Amino acid sequence: AQSVTQLGSHVSVSEGALVLLRCNYSSSVPPYLFWYVQYPNQGLQLLLKYTTGATLVKGINGFEAEFKKSETSFHLTKPSAHMSDAAEYFCAVTPLSGGYNKLIFGAGTRLAVHP
Amino acid sequence: NAGVTQTPKFQVLKTGQSMTLQCAQDMNHNSMYWYRQDPGMGLRLIYYSASEGTTDKGEVPNGYNVSRLNKREFSLRLESAAPSQTSVYFCASSERTSGVLLQYFGPGTRLLVL
Repeated sequence: AQSVTQLGSHVSVSEGALVLLRCNYSSSVPPYLFWYVQYPNQGLQLLLKYTTGATLVKGINGFEAEFKKSETSFHLTKPSAHMSDAAEYFCAVTPLSGGYNKLIFGAGTRLAVHP
Repeated sequence: NAGVTQTPKFQVLKTGQSMTLQCAQDMNHNSMYWYRQDPGMGLRLIYYSASEGTTDKGEVPNGYNVSRLNKREFSLRLESAAPSQTSVYFCASSERTSGVLLQYFGPGTRLLVL
């Protein structure tokens, strides 16, 4: 069965520092990959996604993620953290075939940004 | 468009009580979902409905029932609430764009079972 692992349940960075949130998936066939963000007391919203083509994908609010097939990874980065980036981030996958209609989520990483 | 709406926002129940969480979407999506979110466990799928008239179990269906009332509405029922069902519940709907599944989430219902 497919699974998603997010390394680090909590990440803390200084404002202006690099943000790196890690995500690895288990699949023999590269799935579609997503990052969602959840601000306090809100639902999840899509940050970015990888389907095919360019392995570096850009999302909203200056975030980007790189798909690395050899490492089965899809890490999320942002060059310079802002206080407003404090939120919980979820990596998710969906298989490519079988008309599969569900997402599998990682456990989430809570990002704290301090002055 | 309101997107995905959920009611109520908060609820406190006593063990053994029943309640129904309501969800509606105005995006004309075929598929709808119910998740629960617990600390350190991400989102876990309770039930989903691929289209009007169909429902299927997800990862954690025990203790829940669902009804896909029409294309817009998908409700989640707890027949006899237990403290283990204390959680945040999210409803979502999805569309497939160029073969890619995109899910849209409601704001959540926070449930406390005493």
